[in-house]
Amino acid sequence: DSGVTQTPKHLITATGQRVTLRCSPRSGDLSVYWYQQSLDQGLQFLIQYYNGEERAKGNILERFSAQQFPDLHSELNLSSLELGDSALYFCASSVQPGLAEKDTQYFGPGTRLTVL
Amino acid sequence: GESVGLHLPTLSVQEGDNSIINCAYSNSASDYFIWYKQESGKGPQFIIDIRSNMDKRQGQRVTVLLNKTVKHLSLQIAATQPGDSAVYFCAEGNQFYFGTGTSLTVIP
Repeated sequence: DSGVTQTPKHLITATGQRVTLRCSPRSGDLSVYWYQQSLDQGLQFLIQYYNGEERAKGNILERFSAQQFPDLHSELNLSSLELGDSALYFCASSVQPGLAEKDTQYFGPGTRLTVL
Repeated sequence: GESVGLHLPTLSVQEGDNSIINCAYSNSASDYFIWYKQESGKGPQFIIDIRSNMDKRQGQRVTVLLNKTVKHLSLQIAATQPGDSAVYFCAEGNQFYFGTGTSLTVIP
């Protein structure tokens, strides 16, 4: 158990809908990262937050957005969902920002999103 | 663009043998790499990392080798066990690039 929690574990929805995925980082970790893992593909970095502020952006679509709240939990919002958005979404956390400090990321169990 | 990639998508080894998983990266400025293990239905789990000022780093039954000249790193698992069966990712730690993974199957 990494100490990172994600809810829900599974989510099934229809095209065009909007969903929110939630992540609680490990106690004491200030940085949260979101990744997408599609079938037969590696992890694609979406976005990073550090202490409530956006820190780095990866291959995140404009239909997707995220935020980190004062209690450090984070939410990933996916809107206008398409079939291709079906994937595992992982959250990870680390103590430091993770860019210059070379910090280890601890991953949650993921949320499996299925868009029908 | 920048990338990291594993050489083989699948690898099968006999229990007790040593496993070697290879990874190449493209950005010569990359100076931090991590290996992750992902078991079925779980999130990636940190195994070991290495910084560019090192050529080799050892953990418990695992060794990572870094060859900056050819931009290559490898993960060696000694005395592979059934519990080592998983997908292994190498990742570039600065820009969060992950390879597609090598699926390791340990044959009892």
